[in-house]
Amino acid sequence: VQLVESGGGVVQPATSLRLSCAASGFTFRTSAMHWVRQAPGKGLEWLAVISYDGVHKYYADSERGRVTISRDNSKNTLYLQLNSLRTDDTAVYYCATRTFGYAAEYWGQGTLVTVSS
Amino acid sequence: QSALTQPPSASGSPGQSVTFSCTGTSDDVGGYGFVSWYQQFPGTAPKLLIYEVDKRPSGVPDRFSGSKSGNTASLTVSGLQTEDEANYYCASYAGRNNLVFGGGTLLTVL
Repeated sequence: VQLVESGGGVVQPATSLRLSCAASGFTFRTSAMHWVRQAPGKGLEWLAVISYDGVHKYYADSERGRVTISRDNSKNTLYLQLNSLRTDDTAVYYCATRTFGYAAEYWGQGTLVTVSS
Repeated sequence: QSALTQPPSASGSPGQSVTFSCTGTSDDVGGYGFVSWYQQFPGTAPKLLIYEVDKRPSGVPDRFSGSKSGNTASLTVSGLQTEDEANYYCASYAGRNNLVFGGGTLLTVL
Protein backbone atom coordinates (compact mmCIF):
# COMPACT_ATOMS: atom_id res chain seq x y z
CA VAL A 1 0.00 0.00 0.00
CA GLN A 2 1.34 3.38 -0.96
CA LEU A 3 -0.27 6.78 -0.50
CA VAL A 4 1.55 9.86 -1.77
CA GLU A 5 0.20 13.29 -0.98
CA SER A 6 1.13 16.34 -3.03
CA GLY A 7 0.02 19.88 -3.67
CA GLY A 8 1.21 21.50 -0.47
CA GLY A 9 3.34 24.61 -0.31
CA VAL A 10 3.38 28.19 0.88
CA VAL A 11 0.18 30.07 0.11
CA GLN A 12 -1.30 33.40 1.10
CA PRO A 13 -4.30 33.77 3.40
CA ALA A 14 -7.73 33.78 1.77
CA THR A 15 -6.53 31.72 -1.19
CA SER A 16 -7.42 28.16 -2.19
CA LEU A 17 -5.43 24.98 -2.65
CA ARG A 18 -6.14 21.47 -3.86
CA LEU A 19 -4.23 18.59 -2.35
CA SER A 20 -3.91 15.21 -4.04
CA CYS A 21 -3.27 11.73 -2.71
CA ALA A 22 -2.11 9.15 -5.24
CA ALA A 23 -2.89 5.58 -4.20
CA SER A 24 -1.28 2.33 -5.29
CA GLY A 25 -0.79 -1.21 -4.09
CA PHE A 26 -4.42 -1.82 -3.14
CA THR A 27 -7.88 -1.62 -4.68
CA PHE A 28 -8.50 2.10 -4.30
CA ARG A 29 -11.97 2.01 -5.82
CA THR A 30 -13.26 -0.19 -2.97
CA SER A 31 -11.67 1.82 -0.14
CA ALA A 32 -13.18 4.68 1.83
CA MET A 33 -10.61 7.37 2.57
CA HIS A 34 -9.88 9.93 5.30
CA TRP A 35 -8.07 13.28 5.35
CA VAL A 36 -6.36 14.16 8.63
CA ARG A 37 -4.13 17.13 9.41
CA GLN A 38 -1.55 18.00 12.03
CA ALA A 39 -0.48 21.55 12.84
CA PRO A 40 3.18 22.00 13.78
CA GLY A 41 3.79 20.58 17.24
CA LYS A 42 0.12 19.74 17.68
CA GLY A 43 -2.09 16.67 17.62
CA LEU A 44 -4.04 14.99 14.86
CA GLU A 45 -7.27 16.53 13.58
CA TRP A 46 -9.75 14.63 11.46
CA LEU A 47 -11.09 16.61 8.51
CA ALA A 48 -13.21 14.47 6.23
CA VAL A 49 -14.07 11.00 4.92
CA ILE A 50 -15.38 9.84 1.56
CA SER A 51 -17.04 6.57 0.63
CA TYR A 52 -15.44 4.18 -1.83
CA ASP A 53 -17.63 5.44 -4.67
CA GLY A 54 -17.45 9.13 -3.80
CA VAL A 55 -21.17 9.35 -3.14
CA HIS A 56 -21.01 9.92 0.60
CA LYS A 57 -18.85 12.68 2.06
CA TYR A 58 -18.67 13.75 5.69
CA TYR A 59 -16.78 16.60 7.29
CA ALA A 60 -15.63 17.78 10.68
CA ASP A 61 -18.00 20.47 11.93
CA SER A 62 -15.13 22.92 12.30
CA GLU A 63 -14.20 22.76 8.61
CA ARG A 64 -17.51 22.13 6.92
CA GLY A 65 -17.98 24.65 4.14
CA ARG A 66 -14.27 25.37 3.66
CA VAL A 67 -13.05 21.95 2.64
CA THR A 68 -14.26 19.56 -0.01
CA ILE A 69 -13.21 15.95 -0.33
CA SER A 70 -13.46 14.16 -3.66
CA ARG A 71 -11.94 11.27 -5.56
CA ASP A 72 -11.30 10.01 -9.06
CA ASN A 73 -11.28 6.23 -9.02
CA SER A 74 -10.14 6.12 -12.66
CA LYS A 75 -6.96 7.88 -11.55
CA ASN A 76 -6.63 6.21 -8.13
CA THR A 77 -6.48 9.67 -6.62
CA LEU A 78 -8.09 11.37 -3.64
CA TYR A 79 -8.41 15.14 -3.38
CA LEU A 80 -8.95 17.79 -0.73
CA GLN A 81 -9.96 21.29 -1.78
CA LEU A 82 -9.14 23.92 0.82
CA ASN A 83 -10.78 27.34 0.49
CA SER A 84 -10.43 30.67 2.28
CA LEU A 85 -7.19 29.50 3.84
CA ARG A 86 -6.21 30.95 7.20
CA THR A 87 -2.90 30.95 9.02
CA ASP A 88 -4.23 28.29 11.39
CA ASP A 89 -4.68 25.94 8.45
CA THR A 90 -0.90 25.58 8.43
CA ALA A 91 -0.34 21.87 8.92
CA VAL A 92 0.80 18.60 7.45
CA TYR A 93 -2.13 17.05 5.62
CA TYR A 94 -2.38 13.26 5.52
CA CYS A 95 -4.61 10.95 3.55
CA ALA A 96 -5.38 7.52 4.99
CA THR A 97 -7.43 4.46 4.14
CA ARG A 98 -10.51 3.86 6.26
CA THR A 99 -10.79 0.46 7.86
CA PHE A 100 -13.07 -1.26 10.34
CA GLY A 101 -14.45 0.86 13.12
CA TYR A 102 -13.75 4.04 11.17
CA ALA A 103 -10.02 3.73 11.93
CA ALA A 104 -7.32 5.10 9.63
CA GLU A 105 -5.22 2.15 8.58
CA TYR A 106 -2.61 3.12 5.98
CA TRP A 107 -1.25 6.67 5.90
CA GLY A 108 0.67 8.72 3.39
CA GLN A 109 3.77 10.68 4.34
CA GLY A 110 1.83 13.94 4.36
CA THR A 111 2.12 17.22 2.52
CA LEU A 112 2.90 20.48 4.30
CA VAL A 113 0.67 23.48 3.75
CA THR A 114 1.96 26.78 5.07
CA VAL A 115 -0.42 29.72 5.03
CA SER A 116 1.48 32.95 5.38
CA SER A 117 1.50 36.43 3.97
CA GLN B 1 -17.18 17.60 18.44
CA SER B 2 -14.59 18.07 21.21
CA ALA B 3 -11.25 16.34 21.22
CA LEU B 4 -10.81 13.31 23.44
CA THR B 5 -8.75 13.86 26.58
CA GLN B 6 -5.34 12.25 26.90
CA PRO B 7 -2.64 13.01 29.48
CA PRO B 8 0.15 14.93 27.76
CA SER B 9 2.93 12.66 28.96
CA ALA B 10 3.72 9.27 30.42
CA SER B 11 6.89 7.41 31.26
CA GLY B 12 8.16 3.98 32.09
CA SER B 13 11.31 1.91 32.32
CA PRO B 14 12.33 -0.82 29.90
CA GLY B 15 10.46 -4.03 30.62
CA GLN B 16 7.67 -2.33 32.53
CA SER B 17 4.11 -1.77 31.41
CA VAL B 18 2.48 1.59 30.86
CA THR B 19 -1.17 2.39 30.28
CA PHE B 20 -2.49 5.44 28.44
CA SER B 21 -5.98 6.73 29.04
CA CYS B 22 -8.34 8.38 26.57
CA THR B 23 -11.47 9.97 27.97
CA GLY B 24 -14.47 10.97 25.94
CA THR B 25 -18.21 11.04 26.41
CA SER B 26 -21.20 8.86 25.73
CA ASP B 27 -21.36 10.54 22.31
CA ASP B 28 -18.07 9.03 21.24
CA VAL B 29 -15.94 6.60 23.27
CA GLY B 30 -18.79 5.44 25.48
CA GLY B 31 -21.34 5.21 22.72
CA TYR B 32 -19.49 3.07 20.21
CA GLY B 33 -16.99 0.23 20.08
CA PHE B 34 -14.91 2.14 17.56
CA VAL B 35 -11.82 3.34 19.40
CA SER B 36 -8.48 3.27 17.62
CA TRP B 37 -4.92 4.00 18.72
CA TYR B 38 -1.97 5.33 16.75
CA GLN B 39 1.77 5.56 17.30
CA GLN B 40 3.69 8.46 15.80
CA PHE B 41 7.40 9.12 15.78
CA PRO B 42 8.62 12.69 15.17
CA GLY B 43 8.52 13.64 11.53
CA THR B 44 6.69 10.51 10.40
CA ALA B 45 3.11 9.52 9.68
CA PRO B 46 0.99 7.86 12.37
CA LYS B 47 0.74 4.08 12.45
CA LEU B 48 -2.42 2.22 13.41
CA LEU B 49 -1.90 0.06 16.50
CA ILE B 50 -5.43 -0.83 17.63
CA TYR B 51 -8.87 -0.59 16.05
CA GLU B 52 -12.35 -1.37 17.36
CA VAL B 53 -11.10 -0.99 20.95
CA ASP B 54 -8.95 -4.11 21.18
CA LYS B 55 -8.10 -5.46 17.72
CA ARG B 56 -4.56 -5.40 16.39
CA PRO B 57 -3.76 -5.07 12.69
CA SER B 58 -1.45 -7.67 11.26
CA GLY B 59 2.14 -7.00 12.25
CA VAL B 60 1.44 -5.10 15.47
CA PRO B 61 3.09 -6.88 18.42
CA ASP B 62 0.83 -8.29 21.11
CA ARG B 63 2.67 -6.08 23.59
CA PHE B 64 0.10 -3.48 22.54
CA SER B 65 -3.40 -4.03 23.86
CA GLY B 66 -6.55 -1.95 24.08
CA SER B 67 -9.60 -1.86 26.28
CA LYS B 68 -12.54 0.33 27.18
CA SER B 69 -14.68 0.99 30.21
CA GLY B 70 -17.52 3.44 29.99
CA ASN B 71 -16.32 6.68 28.44
CA THR B 72 -12.62 5.88 28.87
CA ALA B 73 -10.45 3.81 26.57
CA SER B 74 -6.99 2.56 27.42
CA LEU B 75 -3.89 1.43 25.58
CA THR B 76 -1.40 -0.74 27.45
CA VAL B 77 2.15 -1.26 26.27
CA SER B 78 3.78 -4.22 27.97
CA GLY B 79 7.47 -5.02 28.07
CA LEU B 80 8.45 -1.45 27.28
CA GLN B 81 11.29 -1.02 24.84
CA THR B 82 13.29 2.11 24.14
CA GLU B 83 11.94 2.12 20.60
CA ASP B 84 8.41 2.55 21.97
CA GLU B 85 9.23 6.17 22.77
CA ALA B 86 6.76 8.09 20.64
CA ASN B 87 3.48 9.99 20.68
CA TYR B 88 0.32 7.93 21.09
CA TYR B 89 -3.06 9.16 19.89
CA CYS B 90 -6.50 7.74 20.46
CA ALA B 91 -9.48 8.30 18.21
CA SER B 92 -13.14 7.41 18.34
CA TYR B 93 -16.09 7.37 16.05
CA ALA B 94 -18.29 10.22 17.25
CA GLY B 95 -21.53 9.60 15.40
CA ARG B 96 -22.81 11.34 12.26
CA ASN B 97 -19.89 9.82 10.35
CA ASN B 98 -17.34 11.86 12.29
CA LEU B 99 -14.04 10.82 13.82
CA VAL B 100 -12.44 12.61 16.76
CA PHE B 101 -8.85 12.36 17.99
CA GLY B 102 -7.30 12.86 21.39
CA GLY B 103 -4.54 15.36 21.98
CA GLY B 104 -1.88 12.67 22.25
CA THR B 105 0.40 11.32 24.96
CA LEU B 106 4.17 11.50 24.68
CA LEU B 107 5.77 8.34 26.04
CA THR B 108 9.25 8.58 27.48
CA VAL B 109 11.12 5.35 28.15
CA LEU B 110 13.54 6.09 30.94
